Amino acid sequence: QSVLTQPPSVSGAPGQRVTISCTGSSSNIGAGYDVHWYQQLPGTAPKLLIYGNSNRPSGVPDRFSGSKSGTSASLAITGLQAEDEADYYCQSYDSSLSAFYVFGTGTKVTVL
Amino acid sequence: QVQLQESGPGLVKPSETLSLTCTVSGGSISSYYWSWIRQPAGKGLEWIGRIYTSGSTNYNPSLKSRVTMSVDTSKNQFSLKLSSVTAADTAVYYCAREDYDSSGYYYNYWGQGTLVTVSS
Repeated sequence: QSVLTQPPSVSGAPGQRVTISCTGSSSNIGAGYDVHWYQQLPGTAPKLLIYGNSNRPSGVPDRFSGSKSGTSASLAITGLQAEDEADYYCQSYDSSLSAFYVFGTGTKVTVL
Repeated sequence: QVQLQESGPGLVKPSETLSLTCTVSGGSISSYYWSWIRQPAGKGLEWIGRIYTSGSTNYNPSLKSRVTMSVDTSKNQFSLKLSSVTAADTAVYYCAREDYDSSGYYYNYWGQGTLVTVSS
């Protein structure tokens, strides 16, 4: 089971802003390890969306932004578009014996 | 542009060993960590482990007793073996490259994934 908890689903109308939380603990996010975010469109491999908490790879729209505070991180999507409907996962390093790299439980974003 | 491609049997019998290979093209396999990640149908991502081109490995503790990874730099390939499989190991298996900078380790390159079903 994942040590990073995300809401199962979030939804919003086109143009709205939605946020996805990623809650960890003192052995991962709270220990200062970076958080990365991935977008997975149906039937495809995950795609890097945000790295190092808040950095966007080349080609990722600035509608996507990331932040981290304490034992949690967040992904925000502003100006929601139909093409943003996908699953989103956070990922970090965990220093406990339970894992090495850990992924969040995943969040399904639905565009209403 | 770096590309990764998984290959291997799509069907494995219970108690047998799952074997997959990831072929890297468009770049050298050297000086990177290479990982395997899996995803059961309708579920989330699970990190299986990683291997450096020197052969150094890190495995998910929950799978460690059954996982073996290897790398063949001459073929630009790395491999996964998972022994004593059960139906719970049925999943899409992805290979991925770790990129590293001051922002940590993250996965910028992924294979398309290959479905492995464990069934008799």
